This record gives sequence, C-alpha cells and structure tokens, in this order.
Amino acid sequence: DGGITQSPKYLFRKEGQNVTLSCEQNLNHDAMYWYRQDPGQGLRLIYYSQIVNDFQKGDIAEGYSVSREKKESFPLTVTSAQKNPTAFYLCASSFSMRITEAFFGQGTRLTVV
Amino acid sequence: AQRVTQPEKLLSVFKGAPVELKCNYSYSGSPELFWYVQYSRQRLQLLLRHISRESIKGFTADLNKGETSFHLKKPFAQEEDSAMYYCALSGFGNEKLTFGTGTRLTIIP
Repeated sequence: DGGITQSPKYLFRKEGQNVTLSCEQNLNHDAMYWYRQDPGQGLRLIYYSQIVNDFQKGDIAEGYSVSREKKESFPLTVTSAQKNPTAFYLCASSFSMRITEAFFGQGTRLTVV
Repeated sequence: AQRVTQPEKLLSVFKGAPVELKCNYSYSGSPELFWYVQYSRQRLQLLLRHISRESIKGFTADLNKGETSFHLKKPFAQEEDSAMYYCALSGFGNEKLTFGTGTRLTIIP
C-alpha cells in the first residue's frame, strides 16, 4: 500500500520535553515537507528537504529540527524551545525538481500538557 | 518572498449557485499555482493545478498573472463541495510549497 505515513496520530508531551514526529513515504519522492496547521492560519511551512542529507528552513523553523538520512524518512523534532508547540502537524512529499503534486499524511496532533 | 492570500475564511453558497474562492499571490519568478482540498476526515489532496488547465469535479481556475490571482470557480455548487480549500504556490525549480490560510466552503442545501 503506497503512500505517506505519519505516526503517532496523537501525541502528548510534558512542557520542557523534546518529542519526535515520524514521517515515512514509499512513493520514491525526493522532496519532503513539514507543515503546521493552526485554526485560521492555514498551513505554515516548518522545514523542507529536496534531497537526502539536505534540508531548508521554512517560514517558522524556530524551535524545530529535522533530519533526512534516508530518502523515505523525514522526522521532525519539536524541541523545548518551541514556545507554542500544541498544534496539528502535517507531513508531505512530492517528486523533486518540479512539484507536480504533493501527497499528505494524515497528520499528528501534538498536545503539550 | 512568496506569499498566498485567501481573503475569505468562510464562504457559504446555496446548492446550485456559482462558487468562487479567491486566491492572490506574490512571487517574483514564474509561479506554479495549485488548489488543494480537505474534505471532512480526509487527507489534504490536490484538486487542480494551473499548468494542467483541467476541470476537476466541475472546478476550474485560471492563472491571471496581471492580477496575480488564481481564483477557483464552479458554475453550480453541489453539497459534496463542502470542504476546506487551500490555494498553494511554488516556483519552477523551487520546491518550497507555500499555502494560503484556507477558505471553508459550506454548501447550503
């Protein structure tokens, strides 16, 4: 079953802790993205990666970190430096060089308690 | 910098009436524009892209470079069109995909 998978679906974190959100794709896509979705603010780009071992900051990268050691995986770490981490996080992927279509995961809802 | 603006957060339209969701963009290069849709309890998915010049589910969108707009239109709304719609922008050779704030479309029976 091809696609993009995010896990877990729901995640709770204590204030001050780092947490890592998983994103895996088996579509053989080069490009991967992380977005944060908040009510009334749409999707805001956190980080994106065009190719393995390379990634770029998006519009709201502060307090987040990523890695891209494998083509199929693009984990996002929400660090304790992120001031307002409670949100819905979406991962996406697309073919590189030119975006034709981005495929999205089902999202992870992170709640800081 | 690239930016996408969707001025309407909410839009309600009667079934059978025309629909227009507005999208304006800012980009210095040659843009690629998309409309994505998120139906209730489903993943965000591509609806259409300007380069394809196609009609999907009765929706069309024309890129107007003079007005920097990419409005989504449908002549006759259907109840199943109720969803969240996002306009998105990328540049040729630039993989940064930027989204607008979205418009929630509700079709009134």
